Amino acid sequence: TQLLEQSPQFLSIQEGENLTVYCNSSSVFSSLQWYRQEPGEGPVLLVTVVTGGEVKKLKRLTFQFGDARKDSSLHITAAQTGDTGLYLCAGVRAGNNRKLIWGLGTSLAVNP
Amino acid sequence: ETGVTQSPTHLIKTRGQQVTLRCSSQSGHNTVSWYQQALGQGPQFIFQYYREEENGRGNFPPRFSGLQFPNYSSELNVNALELDDSALYLCASSVRTAYQETQYFGPGTRLLVL
Repeated sequence: TQLLEQSPQFLSIQEGENLTVYCNSSSVFSSLQWYRQEPGEGPVLLVTVVTGGEVKKLKRLTFQFGDARKDSSLHITAAQTGDTGLYLCAGVRAGNNRKLIWGLGTSLAVNP
Repeated sequence: ETGVTQSPTHLIKTRGQQVTLRCSSQSGHNTVSWYQQALGQGPQFIFQYYREEENGRGNFPPRFSGLQFPNYSSELNVNALELDDSALYLCASSVRTAYQETQYFGPGTRLLVL
């Protein structure tokens, strides 16, 4: 059973379109992170959210942490070809166990 | 640039051989985690080292072992290599806090087992 479910698994869109990627769980997380990974490289941290309902913006990327801290979303406005990559969410579950739990990722292709 | 380095960048081995992968953590980080990532998949947690001791292990067999040194750099050793061990191996360094653990990844070592 995957503790963090990401959807969709694959996404192929045209440049200029908007998209939303979801990260869902039945567990509560004390913090949740989003990473972007390009082929042949390690994941790069985009943002960390820690407060329920928190919204963070990074240029055209908007990240939201659910009120109950069980889910998160990443919205990209006017996607560009440079946004292509694997988007991963990872979280630390509330409680004493501080291990980082990973989703399987959303592979995004933005076509010119 | 995360300040985390890994070596080698690429490696080709044959079944049954042994391999050692190395990771230098970011300055000031005392925790190193190792992950295995298949193509197009998310990272799978192998184990974590905190101040030279193993601090949690994922669902990997004992032939995957590790080590952390006093300078917090780390090694991942895999014995009796199998074809399915072919993957990108990622190392991440971090500083543990009470509420979150932000991990900074190296570029990975791509291992191919023939």
